[in-house]
Amino acid sequence: QLHLVESGGGVVQPGRSLRLSCAASGFTFSTYGMHWVRQAPGKGLEWVALIWYDGSEKHYADSVKGRFTISRDNSKNILYLEMNSLGAEDTAVYYCARELNRCFDSWGQGTLVTVSS
Amino acid sequence: EIVLTQSPGTLSLSAGERATLSCRASQSVTDNYLAWYQQKPGQTPRLLIYGASTRAAGIPDRFSGSGSGTDFTLTISRLEPEDFAVYYCQQYGFSPVTFGQGTKLEIK
Repeated sequence: QLHLVESGGGVVQPGRSLRLSCAASGFTFSTYGMHWVRQAPGKGLEWVALIWYDGSEKHYADSVKGRFTISRDNSKNILYLEMNSLGAEDTAVYYCARELNRCFDSWGQGTLVTVSS
Repeated sequence: EIVLTQSPGTLSLSAGERATLSCRASQSVTDNYLAWYQQKPGQTPRLLIYGASTRAAGIPDRFSGSGSGTDFTLTISRLEPEDFAVYYCQQYGFSPVTFGQGTKLEIK
C-alpha cells in the first residue's frame, strides 16, 4: 500500500524557517520524481517544487525560489522541503506528491504551515 | 508559464445530470500533458484523468476527459451525489507545473 506522510508543519513567526518531511512507503521511492504542492486556506492548488528521482535536478516556483530548498534521501525514502524567510503568503497546507505520467498520482494528507506572529 | 483558466467558476447541477467543465490554456500544452483532479472538503486531491483523456486507476467510467492543444474538457456523464466537489486541471507539458483555479460543482 502506497503511503506518503508529511510532517513538520506548525506555527512559525514571519522571517523564520521550517523543514517539512514526507516519508514514503509502498513503492520504490528512488525511481520517482517528487513534488511539493501547497494550498492556502480556502484557495486553489499551487505547485511549489520538484526534484528528480535521483536528486540531480530541482525546480521551483518563482514565489519560493531562493527561499525554499527541496531535497531527498533515497536511502531513507524521505522527501524534504526546507523553507526560509517565511511570510504570511506561505501559510498553507503543504502536500507531497508522486509524479507519474506528468501528473500527481499519489498525495500525502498534507501538513499545515501557519506563518504568524 | 502556461496559465490555465477553468470555467465556469461554479456549476450548479442535480444528481443524474451531465456536467461539462472546461480548462483553457494560454498556450498549447505539450503532448497533452493535462490532468484533472477532484478535491472534496477536508480531503486531498484525487487524480481522475491524465494525458487529457486517460482515466486513472479506479476512476468510474462516468468521468471522461477530452481535448487537445489549448482546450480541454472534463465530462461527468451522470452525476452521483459523491461527485459534488471542486475540480482542478493541471498541466506539465511545459515547466513550471501549473493548475487552474478550480471549478466548484455544487448541488442545485
